[in-house]
Amino acid sequence: AQSVSQHNHHVILSEAASLELGCNYSYGGTVNLFWYVQYPGQHLQLLLKYFSGDPLVKGIKGFEAEFIKSKFSFNLRKPSVQWSDTAEYFCAVKLDNQGGKLIFGQGTELSVKP
Amino acid sequence: GAVVSQHPSWVICKSGTSVKIECRSLDFQATTMFWYRQFPKQSLMLMATSNEGSKATYEQGVEKDKFLINHASLTLSTLTVTSAHPEDSSFYICSAAGGGQPQHFGDGTRLSIL
Repeated sequence: AQSVSQHNHHVILSEAASLELGCNYSYGGTVNLFWYVQYPGQHLQLLLKYFSGDPLVKGIKGFEAEFIKSKFSFNLRKPSVQWSDTAEYFCAVKLDNQGGKLIFGQGTELSVKP
Repeated sequence: GAVVSQHPSWVICKSGTSVKIECRSLDFQATTMFWYRQFPKQSLMLMATSNEGSKATYEQGVEKDKFLINHASLTLSTLTVTSAHPEDSSFYICSAAGGGQPQHFGDGTRLSIL
């Protein structure tokens, strides 16, 4: 069955540290890839997405992600995190034959210390 | 601002009662709505996909008679948890897509069954 795996359950960083959150998926066909963020008490918000083209995509708030097809990965990065980046981050995959539904990873909780 | 409104945000009720959760798209016509369930510290699990005017498609393991979904208009979908029991306590999230819009998520409904 198709799945999405996020390697880190909880990441703790100090402000200005660099961030990389791992995401791998298992599916051999065409995929669309997403990263969502959920700030405490708020709804899921789209950070960035990859559909096709340049595998390095830039999103909001200084986040970027790189799609590496050979590794089935879509890792999220930010050069310098801020306290306000404290949130839950979800990687999601939309398969090309599943009518638009998203398969989510288990999420990574990011805590940034001021 | 929010483009998907979910109501109520929190509900507590006695075991055996039925609870209805509404999901409204505010700025666009949602041809497809998705209902997810999220357990603490876990990922969003898709429960069902509903297309306006047709029956919902349920994921494997989700009881369609337990979780009734109605998508009667392009702006409203409802999820009714029938004869709710404590094991149904969870966080339920809807999302809406359509008209070229990506999935937008509601704020979620925290359901607590006593």
